[in-house]
Amino acid sequence: NAGVTQTPKFRILKIGQSMTLQCTQDMNHNYMYWYRQDPGMGLKLIYYSVGAGITDKGEVPNGYNVSRSTTEDFPLRLELAAPSQTSVYFCASSQTGTGYSEQYFGPGTRLTVT
Amino acid sequence: QKEVEQNSGPLSVPEGAIASLNCTYSDRVSQSFFWYRQYSGKSPELIMSIYSNGDKEDGRFTAQLNKASQYVSLLIRDSQPSDSATYLCAVNRVTGFQKLVFGTGTRLLVSP
Repeated sequence: NAGVTQTPKFRILKIGQSMTLQCTQDMNHNYMYWYRQDPGMGLKLIYYSVGAGITDKGEVPNGYNVSRSTTEDFPLRLELAAPSQTSVYFCASSQTGTGYSEQYFGPGTRLTVT
Repeated sequence: QKEVEQNSGPLSVPEGAIASLNCTYSDRVSQSFFWYRQYSGKSPELIMSIYSNGDKEDGRFTAQLNKASQYVSLLIRDSQPSDSATYLCAVNRVTGFQKLVFGTGTRLLVSP
């Protein structure tokens, strides 16, 4: 049981390039989330998904896209990378979407855009 | 006013002491509260959750919740150098979809 896994661990992008951050969970969780964490800041929700085929925007969705074709996978797409997207990205999952459901985080992807 | 506020620290305590980490929140409808520990360069790890007023103990950790004062705290007894990390408070609404709002975290340093 690996929990939540993310690839790659590190990536450097040039301005204007695109990439996909991968996230997979093996806990059969319905809910999945993407956060970004900037230095000295709290985690900000980018997108979330309540199940395969259903996604919705979080607090900071601009510049990102997601898809959820399976329960296990929730990739995050960056189009036309900008320096403002330099951050650490965390994927998380939870069994349900209620307030009492605990979220479990992947190891993160550290992205630098130059 | 931030939704979830924490003192950024660092909070420095000697080994063996009690570390007290505090968090206040602005939304009165918040019903569930979580403490995450985050080591430098690592992902947040859930260590405690609390839903009712009062204390909840788990090993060396005690979470305290006072909804009337909109205040949640984490006590770490017998602090160890391995407890040195940033502690994130997260607050959630029960109504509708779970949206966790995170504080910016308090950095704890435990000196040997």
